[in-house]
Amino acid sequence: SQQGEEDPQALSIQEGENATMNCSYKTSINNLQWYRQNSGRGLVHLILIRSNEREKHSGRLRVTLDTSKKSSSLLITASRAADTASYFCAPRGNKLVFGAGTILRVKS
Amino acid sequence: GAVVSQHPSWVICKSGTSVKIECRSLDFQATTMFWYRQFPKQSLMLMATSNEGSKATYEQGVEKDKFLINHASLTLSTLTVTSAHPEDSSFYICSVGKARQETQYFGPGTRLLVL
Repeated sequence: SQQGEEDPQALSIQEGENATMNCSYKTSINNLQWYRQNSGRGLVHLILIRSNEREKHSGRLRVTLDTSKKSSSLLITASRAADTASYFCAPRGNKLVFGAGTILRVKS
Repeated sequence: GAVVSQHPSWVICKSGTSVKIECRSLDFQATTMFWYRQFPKQSLMLMATSNEGSKATYEQGVEKDKFLINHASLTLSTLTVTSAHPEDSSFYICSVGKARQETQYFGPGTRLLVL
């Protein structure tokens, strides 16, 4: 299955700290995407990294991809209380599937 | 991005009734829409891919006769949960993808509670 597996399952940090979430997957992919879900809401696309890219930045987000290890990481710098949400990685082969997610709580 | 709406946002129904959920792509024509289901504290599970003008493609383990999908236009797909039971209570989310783009845009979700 292409489904990603996020680690850790839950993360609690203080506002201003950095948050790192990891994702591992099993098969070859075209790209890998990260999404955020606020409680009880739909998903918001954060960033997409292609299989031939190693690192990508978007604002306070930094994503890395290591296709040899079939893993990716999402770093959120200078976290804010508003970053509190669930974060999902979605490896993309011929369709988009989601891992179990990391629940991030940022305490103010 | 794309704007996707769902209606209703939440619904409570009695066991045995059918519930229809609408997914609308508001600002572009979507030839493909996706339906996901999410149980509490779990991830999104892809249920089916809805193709405009043709039959939906269901994922393994999803009953096509129970979850009827109709994609009659480029802006509207509907998911009907037939003869709903309490175990069908879940958060149903649709998404659309733009041609030549790999990002999917998600609706706000519909929370279904079957009593």
